[in-house]
Parts: sequence; structure tokens; C-alpha cells
Amino acid sequence: DVKVTQSSRYLVKRTGEKVFLECVQDMDHENMFWYRQDPGLGLRLIYFSYDVKMKEKGDIPEGYSVSREKKERFSLILESASTNQTSMYLCASSSRTGPNSPLHFGNGTRLTVT
Amino acid sequence: AQSVSQHNHHVILSEAASLELGCNYSYGGTVNLFWYVQYPGQHLQLLLKYFSGDPLVKGIKGFEAEFIKSKFSFNLRKPSVQWSDTAEYFCAVNAYDYKLSFGAGTTVTVRA
Repeated sequence: DVKVTQSSRYLVKRTGEKVFLECVQDMDHENMFWYRQDPGLGLRLIYFSYDVKMKEKGDIPEGYSVSREKKERFSLILESASTNQTSMYLCASSSRTGPNSPLHFGNGTRLTVT
Repeated sequence: AQSVSQHNHHVILSEAASLELGCNYSYGGTVNLFWYVQYPGQHLQLLLKYFSGDPLVKGIKGFEAEFIKSKFSFNLRKPSVQWSDTAEYFCAVNAYDYKLSFGAGTTVTVRA
């Protein structure tokens, strides 16, 4: 069974801090994604990666960056955290068999920026 | 880019009642359609998906969904819900690439 592990379940950070959210998957998936989940807005794609060292912007990339140095690890970086980045962050992975391959999600990291 | 609309924000029903959640998308080409479910305290998981063939697809836990191309819809149904179906349900769609667009979600509360 695919396992997507996010390093922290809860994080509290101060405005202006640099924040790293880590995600690791164990199924050798090529694709990895970062979403944020907010009530009434569903899931919105921040960044995704099709392969090591590759990254593409999603729908709401402003204020975020990512890093994918190894196939199994995809990191989301908040360069200077702001209160409007308080949210639930979800990492997901999928194989490259086709666009109908489902996403496998981690448990999420609830980030609070004060 | 495609967008997804879910008509209901919160549905409350009693056990054994029937459930139907609406989902419409805006994209004129070939799409892949998904329903994901998030039970309280758990991660999102796939309920069912459609990408070709029979427009009526069956998923886990007795759920099914019908793709109606002319209506750009992919509604989720379950004939008789259980208390354990209390969860948040998300409709999602992608087209030619791996980027999945999600609806806002519908919270379903089943009263025992």
C-alpha cells in the first residue's frame, strides 16, 4: 500500500519565518503534488513535480517554492510565512501511468502562522 | 483550465436515507473524473473514478457515480447511507495532464 508521509502533523510559526514542509512517498511515484485545503475552497494546487529537479506552478504558487532533490521527497517552502498561509497542507503522489492514475495523499500538516 | 462545482456544502441525513451529491465541471474535452472521501481524522482516499467506458461506475463502500457528458456532470450516489459515511466528499477532474482540480467539497453528516 502506498504511503505518503508528511513530517509534521501540526506546526505553529511566526510571521516572517521561513517554513519547510516535508513529504516522503515510498512507492517510487514520479509525480508529487502540494495542495492546500481551506474550508469552502476545497483543495488548491500550489506546486507539482513530474520528476526529480522538475517543478511546475499550480494555481496558487505565490509565496511558496518547492524542492525535489530525490524522487521520494518533495518539500514545500514558505519563504516568509504570513497569516494568510495558515491552512492545512496536503502532499500527494501518483504514478506516471496516465492522467487517470489516482492521487495518494498524506495525512496533512496543519500550519498556523501567528 | 477546468473548474469543478459541487452544489451542496453540507448535507445532513438519517441512516438508510439515499444520498446524491452533485458535481459539475467545465471543460469541453475528454476528462477523467474522480470522487475522493475524507473521513474524520483520516487522509483523503479515492472513492471511485471514471475515465472511459460504462458511464456508471461503482466504487468502494456501495458508492456509485454516473457520468453524463451532455450535462458535464458526475454525481455521486448511495442508495442507503450508514453513520460511517459521515465524511467530506470531493469531486475532482483532470484532462490531458496530471493536474487534478477539486471542487469545494461537501460535508455529509449521517445521523444514527
